[in-house]
Amino acid sequence: AIRMTQSPSSLSASTGDRVTITCRASQGISSYLAWYQQKPGKAPKLLIYAASTLQSGVPSRFSGSGSGTDFTLTISCLQSEDFATYYCQQYYSYLLTFGGGTKVEIK
Amino acid sequence: QLQLQESGPGLVKPSETLSLTCTVSGGSISSSSYYWGWIRQPPGKGLEWIGSIYYSGSTYYNPSLKSRVTISVDTSKNQFSLKLSSVTAADTAVYYCARPKLFVVVPAAIPAWFDPWGQGTLVTVSS
Repeated sequence: AIRMTQSPSSLSASTGDRVTITCRASQGISSYLAWYQQKPGKAPKLLIYAASTLQSGVPSRFSGSGSGTDFTLTISCLQSEDFATYYCQQYYSYLLTFGGGTKVEIK
Repeated sequence: QLQLQESGPGLVKPSETLSLTCTVSGGSISSSSYYWGWIRQPPGKGLEWIGSIYYSGSTYYNPSLKSRVTISVDTSKNQFSLKLSSVTAADTAVYYCARPKLFVVVPAAIPAWFDPWGQGTLVTVSS
């Protein structure tokens, strides 16, 4: 199975900050990567697919980049509603795997 | 707007079979562009893909669960279902159904990113 490793596992930030989350794949996955946001007690919500394509309706302050093994999710100007846990997921292999998550907390 | 809704018992005894159904509304489960899938999340932990099914009945399963999992589809009811046998406390989790995009990675067409998701249902394994 392709292992997805996210870093950091948690971070503290303030509203207005620029935040970057990293996801590393244990082998090359081209651009076959998605990002999700999950708030407590809620289902995950798709933010980005194909590493950098913003899902319809997602604010433009979210962006994704990377290919191969290293990927990043950036929130350009953190808003109060962005405090949540973020997950990456690869679909290079039919054995779909998620990263362990990054919790973005209020500083 | 497509919506998914999980249903089934919230409590299952150890060694028994967990059974959940996902009802799809606002769209057809027989779409050629999508798979249908199950993901679970143990309390306080991350996400684990269980398996996915195409409307034709073609399935992909997580090898770590494959010996215990069956996913089926009922196109007449616009539903798909999950059965997980011989459950233990380690199977306690919130179970989500979701729609993964069908993605062509030559020579296969595989499930890809998930959107939308159901709200999730907590299943507790306990006697």
